[in-house]
Amino acid sequence: DAMVIQNPRYQVTQFGKPVTLSCSQTLNHNVMYWYQQKSSQAPKLLFHYYDKDFNNEADTPDNFQSRRPNTSFCFLDIRSPGLGDAAMYLCATRRGIGSTEAFFGQGTRLTVV
Amino acid sequence: KQEVTQIPAALSVPEGENLVLNCSFTDSAIYNLQWFRQDPGKGLTSLLLIQSSQREQTSGRLNASLDKSSGRSTLYIAASQPGDSATYLCAVEGRDDYKLSFGAGTTVTVRA
Repeated sequence: DAMVIQNPRYQVTQFGKPVTLSCSQTLNHNVMYWYQQKSSQAPKLLFHYYDKDFNNEADTPDNFQSRRPNTSFCFLDIRSPGLGDAAMYLCATRRGIGSTEAFFGQGTRLTVV
Repeated sequence: KQEVTQIPAALSVPEGENLVLNCSFTDSAIYNLQWFRQDPGKGLTSLLLIQSSQREQTSGRLNASLDKSSGRSTLYIAASQPGDSATYLCAVEGRDDYKLSFGAGTTVTVRA
């Protein structure tokens, strides 16, 4: 059974139209991450949470926001998607910090038209 | 800032050959290193986690080594099969920031 679930798997949005990607986990893990991955590139960290403590990467564009209303759910909001935001968005969880395995969802492929 | 490099970017081998994938990182202050597999258009599947105090970890045909002082890890896949074709990524968790920093991956093709 999938432990980290991302919805939708594929998302097509119009240029400038807000979009929300979701991630849920059944593992009760404290740490959650959002990554952006473009073709043949390393996943790039956008945000991470330790429980409700939110950490925003310095180079994450202001266009990207995140919410974590409870342990199980996390959302990535893109307020005004541009063509350059087309990518695979990956959500990951881990139980805690240090020496624990990270688990990833299947990703959401975002297309901006 | 942690920099993670994987060389080569791509690798093609005949079935049955052993695979050697390399990962290097610039900051040795890590909690652990994790190897992942990614199939096209999919998320990441965890293969092996090596804690900073360990030298190697094994799972089936996979063996990963870690030399923290030199900032290197190697993933060995024995007797490769076409089903091993995928992109393999390594990631390190920093002691200072708890982030997972990734390399760009090595794309492996195993020819039948």
